[in-house]
Amino acid sequence: KAGVTQTPRYLIKTRGQQVTLSCSPISGHRSVSWYQQTPGQGLQFLFEYFSETQRNKGNFPGRFSGRQFSNSRSEMNVSTLELGDSALYLCASSLGQVFSYNEQFFGPGTRLTVL
Amino acid sequence: AQSVSQHNHHVILSEAASLELGCNYSYGGTVNLFWYVQYPGQHLQLLLKYFSGDPLVKGIKGFEAEFIKSKFSFNLRKPSVQWSDTAEYFCAVNPYNAGNMLTFGGGTRLMVKP
Repeated sequence: KAGVTQTPRYLIKTRGQQVTLSCSPISGHRSVSWYQQTPGQGLQFLFEYFSETQRNKGNFPGRFSGRQFSNSRSEMNVSTLELGDSALYLCASSLGQVFSYNEQFFGPGTRLTVL
Repeated sequence: AQSVSQHNHHVILSEAASLELGCNYSYGGTVNLFWYVQYPGQHLQLLLKYFSGDPLVKGIKGFEAEFIKSKFSFNLRKPSVQWSDTAEYFCAVNPYNAGNMLTFGGGTRLMVKP
């Protein structure tokens, strides 16, 4: 069974640009969550999507957005990039049953560098 | 909002030494608790989890953790570490009925000297 895949693996952008990251969950998984990992702030929850709807949202500015498609693939977008957005962005997928926690499987991440 | 604290940021042990990593959380309601591990160059993976029942849970690779509700703690233990346990360890909390949202601690980097 293929794991969670994230593309691209590495990305370099300049301040002010926008970026789109992609995540393909494990087949059959309907929930996708996104996390930001930085040396200073650690792992922080961005948002979770389930059946094309945002189910939970972390404490990030509106420049961070996401969406989920009918095949459960998800994208996250960061607009007007700032230097502080440099991070490893992790995607995690799970079955996504309602009213219960499902084990999440993490992808390798996309390393974003903002210059 | 809930928070998770891992008090040891860096731990260095020799092989065969015992390990205990501390984790405390602040949240008033029911939570699910996790330890994740990130080996060098690898994905974040689940080590063990606690949902309910026996507060002593066993995970993969000989790790175990004990949930002490009165102390809001979920400490990770291993009786005898190996060089291959060198990794970063993260404690995480999922509030009940909060979907799959995880709040992570800051992580503990463990180095095991052969």
